[in-house]
Amino acid sequence: DTAVSQTPKYLVTQMGNDKSIKCEQNLGHDTMYWYKQDSKKFLKIMFSYNNKELIINETVPNRFSPKSPDKAHLNLHINSLELGDSAVYFCASSRNRDEKLFFGSGTQLSVL
Amino acid sequence: QKEVEQNSGPLSVPEGAIASLNCTYSDRGSQSFFWYRQYSGKSPELIMFIYSNGDKEDGRFTAQLNKASQYVSLLIRDSQPSDSATYLCAVEGGGGADGLTFGKGTHLIIQP
Repeated sequence: DTAVSQTPKYLVTQMGNDKSIKCEQNLGHDTMYWYKQDSKKFLKIMFSYNNKELIINETVPNRFSPKSPDKAHLNLHINSLELGDSAVYFCASSRNRDEKLFFGSGTQLSVL
Repeated sequence: QKEVEQNSGPLSVPEGAIASLNCTYSDRGSQSFFWYRQYSGKSPELIMFIYSNGDKEDGRFTAQLNKASQYVSLLIRDSQPSDSATYLCAVEGGGGADGLTFGKGTHLIIQP
């Protein structure tokens, strides 16, 4: 069983579209995250959720919105996609905010 | 703003030798330190974590932490070609409020 799973693995779309990436973890962790890895491979945190509460939010455009129906899921919605949004997006989870992260396999988003 | 610095490399090491990867961090309050390995096109996977000053060994890997110097390193003994990857240093903030901050990674190449 995959501990942290995200779908889709690849997402190709046009500028201006709205898209979602789904993430689920079966580890019983309390905290989930979204990270963005750009073309230079720099991994930067976007959001984290702890017990359905947003606890951090870096300087991310409000076109990005995380949604967590329960503590095992954290989906990422992106509105009005821009070329600069092209990157690999990783979902991750941890038992709590101070502990090691387990990553999903990543979603490669290409905005044309 | 927390910063985590790594030499991007590439760091080239002959097979069988010791690979030494270094990382410095800016937040003196950081308590937890992690090393992740990322193969091209894959997600980061945790290989070591360290919380206390000194050395921590796990198989061929040794993590070293010096909080006074704000320095953490990873040694890989008996380097194998399969160790060729990007190694990401990650640091947790002192207050636990910011999740993990990653360095830009060091690209390690083990030459057969």
